Amino acid sequence: GQQLNQSPQSMFIQEGEDVSMNCTSSSIFNTWLWYKQDPGEGPVLLIALYKAGELTSNGRLTAQFGITRKDSFLNISASIPSDVGIYFCAGLGFPNDYKLSFGAGTTVTVRA
Amino acid sequence: NAGVTQTPKFQVLKTGQSMTLQCAQDMNHNSMYWYRQDPGMGLRLIYYSASEGTTDKGEVPNGYNVSRLNKREFSLRLESAAPSQTSVYFCASSIDYNEQFFGPGTRLTVL
Repeated sequence: GQQLNQSPQSMFIQEGEDVSMNCTSSSIFNTWLWYKQDPGEGPVLLIALYKAGELTSNGRLTAQFGITRKDSFLNISASIPSDVGIYFCAGLGFPNDYKLSFGAGTTVTVRA
Repeated sequence: NAGVTQTPKFQVLKTGQSMTLQCAQDMNHNSMYWYRQDPGMGLRLIYYSASEGTTDKGEVPNGYNVSRLNKREFSLRLESAAPSQTSVYFCASSIDYNEQFFGPGTRLTVL
């Protein structure tokens, strides 16, 4: 798989805040996926993106497939405590790559 | 639907012991995958099976073998466990190569 750079590595949220994270690649992708992993659980698919420029929402989550096909963004609006966890981006290369590449994850914790 | 199930949830092995991790999916997916997750390294693909009867190496296949028993089941075997194989192992499945759905994981410690 290709190397994905996910940032930030970690972030603190305060209830009610909007937060963003992003993922970049050196190669073109034709699919971007965003997952969330809670402690002791497997990753859960949040949003799937298939077209450059696509903007897709899932409740308070919004993700975008970058125009260049080399990046994607995930926004969480009006954070709540259950948003804590690790968020992973994943991409599928172009044209017929069959192996998902994963970012290292963004750890979201609640600010005390 | 149970989705993707994995057994066991936890396992402790001694160096040199063997074991098989089991995975099953009830979503009629064609493709199945085995990943390992280590702190700070994200998810790394060990082996995958694009369809029943086929298996291929992923990024980190050394020390592992797999069997795609039927469309539902995909097992991962460690023939001679090593401490470097201490990790959390996830099985996943997908209809094609895109949206993968993950199981709850097996937490393996090799002493």
